[in-house]
Amino acid sequence: GNSVTQMEGPVTLSEEAFLTINCTYTATGYPSLFWYVQYPGEGLQLLLKATKADDKGSNKGFEATYRKETTSFHLEKGSVQVSDSAVYFCALVRAAGNKLTFGGGTRVLVKP
Amino acid sequence: GAVVSQHPSRVICKSGTSVKIECRSLDFQATTMFWYRQFPKQSLMLMATSNEGSKATYEQGVEKDKFLINHASLTLSTLTVTSAHPEDSSFYICSAREDRLNYGYTFGSGTRLTVV
Repeated sequence: GNSVTQMEGPVTLSEEAFLTINCTYTATGYPSLFWYVQYPGEGLQLLLKATKADDKGSNKGFEATYRKETTSFHLEKGSVQVSDSAVYFCALVRAAGNKLTFGGGTRVLVKP
Repeated sequence: GAVVSQHPSRVICKSGTSVKIECRSLDFQATTMFWYRQFPKQSLMLMATSNEGSKATYEQGVEKDKFLINHASLTLSTLTVTSAHPEDSSFYICSAREDRLNYGYTFGSGTRLTVV
């Protein structure tokens, strides 16, 4: 079956530090990949996505590249802010109409 | 952009009572809606998938008689927690999918349910 594995947190960083959250997946075929962000007490917001190999999703300074050869979709941001403190979820969907498969989530805390 | 409104955001109820949570797609028609449960510091657990006008499909281990899902229209799905108990206390999140968005899943803001 499909699965998503992401690094466990919490990840604690100082402001302006570089952030990487690793995400690898297992799926047949060519899934679409997503990163969602959840702020305290809220639902999930789509951060970025990629639908095919070598696609790069980007938004708000975050980037992730769909790597078919390593089945990975690592999230990066060059300079984090305190407002980036949240829980980040990597997810995939294998085909249209299917349900999302989530990773376990990574909590990120950015200190001033 | 697509917006999903989920209400209430917080609810406290007594054991044995039922609670209804609404999930509305405000500016699009949602063919499929999903209901998740999230325990503290954990990932989302899919409870059920509902399609407009048909019965919901529940995930293994989810009691369909306890968690009643109704998807009466393309813009509204409801989750009713029946005869709630303290162990049902959790964060519930809905999500709506619309085909034209090409794999876009829009999430509600969640409902914090506390059963006392």
